[in-house]
Amino acid sequence: ELKVEQNPLFLSMQEGKNYTIYCNYSTTSDRLYWYRQDPGKSLESLFVLLSNGAVKQEGRLMASLDTKARLSTLHITAAVHDLSATYFCAVLNSGGSNYKLTFGKGTLLTVNP
Amino acid sequence: DTEVTQTPKHLVMGMTNKKSLKCEQHMGHRAMYWYKQKAKKPPELMFVYSYEKLSINESVPSRFSPECPNSSLLNLHLHALQPEDSALYLCASSQDWRTSGANVLTFGAGSRLTVL
Repeated sequence: ELKVEQNPLFLSMQEGKNYTIYCNYSTTSDRLYWYRQDPGKSLESLFVLLSNGAVKQEGRLMASLDTKARLSTLHITAAVHDLSATYFCAVLNSGGSNYKLTFGKGTLLTVNP
Repeated sequence: DTEVTQTPKHLVMGMTNKKSLKCEQHMGHRAMYWYKQKAKKPPELMFVYSYEKLSINESVPSRFSPECPNSSLLNLHLHALQPEDSALYLCASSQDWRTSGANVLTFGAGSRLTVL
């Protein structure tokens, strides 16, 4: 059974600082996703990573994937308050002909002035 | 159109009521999903439809009954729910996983369900 672990689960940062969220998964997969969720809202797709060494960047967020280590990172550069949200990684689990996403528990990010 | 539309946004029902949640997409996606999300938890997969056929049921109680009338619509029929079923119900759609590419799930805004 695929397990997805995120850490930290809670992250309180000061504006302007850098930090990294980690996502480990237990079995081989060829697709990893990062989503953002604001309180009471739906999930917004941030990145999809398809291959070993993939790196995607959007604004102050950069995601990378190491399939050999089964590890993805979401790096935050010079955090701003607007980045406060919960961030989920999700890994594709393909069992036979059924495909489904397994989500990590999420990282609640709070950026303080 | 790049949206998944869910109705209603909020629903309050008693344990003896029958109600339905509706989901619609016009992106040509052939996979549609129902997820349940409790507060401060990740989404939990309930059902997956692929080409209008149920392909995954994550051992969901029969008081939840999904229906996919056509490739654009997905319903979740609710009957005899329990208070612990109160949650945010998210619909999502994507290209079929067997196609190559990113196959990103696009989520709707959700239906917040309260069972009294």
